Amino acid sequence: SQELEQSPQSLIVQEGKNLTINCTSSKTLYGLYWYKQKYGEGLIFLMMLQKGGEEKSHEKITAKLDEKKQQSSLHITASQPSHAGIYLCGALPNTGNQFYFGTGTSLTVIP
Amino acid sequence: DSGVTQTPKHLITATGQRVTLRCSPRSGDLSVYWYQQSLDQGLQFLIQYYNGEERAKGNILERFSAQQFPDLHSELNLSSLELGDSALYFCASSSTPGMAGHNEQFFGPGTRLTVL
Repeated sequence: SQELEQSPQSLIVQEGKNLTINCTSSKTLYGLYWYKQKYGEGLIFLMMLQKGGEEKSHEKITAKLDEKKQQSSLHITASQPSHAGIYLCGALPNTGNQFYFGTGTSLTVIP
Repeated sequence: DSGVTQTPKHLITATGQRVTLRCSPRSGDLSVYWYQQSLDQGLQFLIQYYNGEERAKGNILERFSAQQFPDLHSELNLSSLELGDSALYFCASSSTPGMAGHNEQFFGPGTRLTVL
């Protein structure tokens, strides 16, 4: 079955610092999605990557999908308290249409 | 606001009972997905419907069932509830069937189920 491992599991950073969250798949991905979840609330779509080597940015958040389409990283520049939450990667495998989510990374930004 | 609504927001019930969770997708979205989120299992895909038909099935127990109605709203029925069913249940919707291409899902606020 498809598995998505995220690292680190949790992250505490000082406001203004940069950080990176990784998402590694056990299989080649058809599409990789990043979501943010505020505690106890629904998920908010951040961005989607489909092509190997693709990189997308939204405000201070940049996500990349590696060439082999098995790993993605999410980078936040100059973190702010508003970035705090749980970041989840999600994916559609190359076969089948069951959507999988990663294990999640909890981010705390200290003012 | 994602445009996806879920009711109720909270539900407290006893073991052995049956409950129904309701989801209204974003206007125009034909796909509805159900997810269960618990501390030990994380976010697990349960089932997807597209335009009234079951499209994909994930880790959904036999005690659980779902359906999508002609007006595209969906209901998730949980029966013979156990303590371990306590979780956040999310509904999401998308405009595509989810087989290929863009599959951005919009999530509802969730229903928190507590089984005592």
